[in-house]
Amino acid sequence: AQKVTQAQTEISVVEKEDVTLDCVYETRDTTYYLFWYKQPPSGELVFLIRRNSFDEQNEISGRYSWNFQKSTSSFNFTITASQVVDSAVYFCALSDSWGKLQFGAGTQVVVTP
Amino acid sequence: EAGVVQSPRYKIIEKKQPVAFWCNPISGHNTLYWYRQNLGQGPELLIRYENEEAVDDSQLPKDRFSAERLKGVDSTLKIQPAELGDSAVYLCASSPIGTSGNNEQFFGPGTRLTVL
Repeated sequence: AQKVTQAQTEISVVEKEDVTLDCVYETRDTTYYLFWYKQPPSGELVFLIRRNSFDEQNEISGRYSWNFQKSTSSFNFTITASQVVDSAVYFCALSDSWGKLQFGAGTQVVVTP
Repeated sequence: EAGVVQSPRYKIIEKKQPVAFWCNPISGHNTLYWYRQNLGQGPELLIRYENEEAVDDSQLPKDRFSAERLKGVDSTLKIQPAELGDSAVYLCASSPIGTSGNNEQFFGPGTRLTVL
C-alpha cells in the first residue's frame, strides 16, 4: 500500500522567510511518481512539480525548490523568500504507474506581512 | 484553454436527499477522476474513467454513490441518499490520453457539499 506523510499540519512564517515542507512516502513499487500541489483559498488544486522515481536530481523553479532523496523516501519542498501569495495548503502526492494518486494530509502555510 | 468545469460550486441538502455533481473535463482529456476531500485532509480517489469505462471504482461506496461518463466526455457523480458524513468537497480532475502515473492531473474548483 502507498502512503504519504506530511507531518507538519501548519507552518507560520513572516514574509521573506524561507519555509520547508516535509514529505515522506512509502511504496513497494520501483516505478512511481511524486507530485506537489498547491491549494489556495479558492480551493482549486494547482500542479507545482512532478518527479519520477528514477530522477533524483533536485529542481529549482524561481523561489521554489525540491529535494528528492530515495534513501530517506523524502520529497521536500522549500519556498525561498516567502510572500503573502504563498499562503495556501500544499499537498504532496504519490502516484503508481497507473496514475492512482495518493495524497498526504497537506500542510497549511501562513505567510504574514 | 478552458480548465475543468464543475457545477454546482456549493450545495446544501438535508440528509436522505439525493444530490448530483457535474464535471466537464479539459477538451481532449480521456482520463477523468472524481475525488472526495474531507475537511483538513487530502483528496481521496473515488473513481477513475478511461473514456467511458470506469477502470478503478474500488473506493466508491456503491451502496449510495454512482457515477457515469456517457460518451466519454462529461461525467456525473450522484449520491442517493446523502448522509451527514458525505459533507465534503467533491473534486473532478482530468488528464491527457493514456493511463500513466506520469500524467499531471488538472483539477476543477470542486463542489462543496453540506448535508444537514
